[in-house]
Amino acid sequence: AQKVTQAQTEISVVEKEDVTLDCVYETRDTTYYLFWYKQPPSGELVFLIRRNSFDEQNEISGRYSWNFQKSTSSFNFTITASQVVDSAVYFCALSEAWAAVNKLTFGGGTRVLVKP
Amino acid sequence: DAEITQSPRHKITETGRQVTLACHQTWNHNNMFWYRQDLGHGLRLIHYSYGVHDTNKGEVSDGYSVSRSNTEDLPLTLESAASSQTSVYFCASSASWDTGELFFGEGSRLTVL
Repeated sequence: AQKVTQAQTEISVVEKEDVTLDCVYETRDTTYYLFWYKQPPSGELVFLIRRNSFDEQNEISGRYSWNFQKSTSSFNFTITASQVVDSAVYFCALSEAWAAVNKLTFGGGTRVLVKP
Repeated sequence: DAEITQSPRHKITETGRQVTLACHQTWNHNNMFWYRQDLGHGLRLIHYSYGVHDTNKGEVSDGYSVSRSNTEDLPLTLESAASSQTSVYFCASSASWDTGELFFGEGSRLTVL
């Protein structure tokens, strides 16, 4: 069975600090997808990134960056120079692509609070 | 613009009552999902559908049912609401040709007294 663990339940930082969210996953499949979603205070979930298991290249999008390490089964997310608008709950998720397309298993989420 | 809407956004009901949460999407997506969100558990999959007349059980399906009579709608029914079903419910959809990018509704907060 697949599992996603986000050990940090809440992180509080001061604006402009960097913050890294940890995500560790378990799966027996060799082909899978990893995701990060953001849930701002308004409640809806917003897709941030998808990474497939064959692509270990790190990705940067503006102030967001993701570090995928298959050797440690981790897919960590860093927000550089955090802003108040980054305050949200962030979810890491896993999909075993061939077995169940689009069925995501979510981690418990990490609440990020960015203080001005 | 295409969207996914849930109703009602807030609902208070009593134990034992039947409750239906509506989900409507205008993307013409084949895949639709219902998740519940509880503190410490993240989102857990209740039911999902890959197309009209297709429904499947997810991780926490006991006490819930869905039906898919058209592409746009996947209503979630609690046959006999229990206090353990107090939660925030999210509907999501995705296109069959894509993998994993779910489009979520705004959520429905259900309280069972």
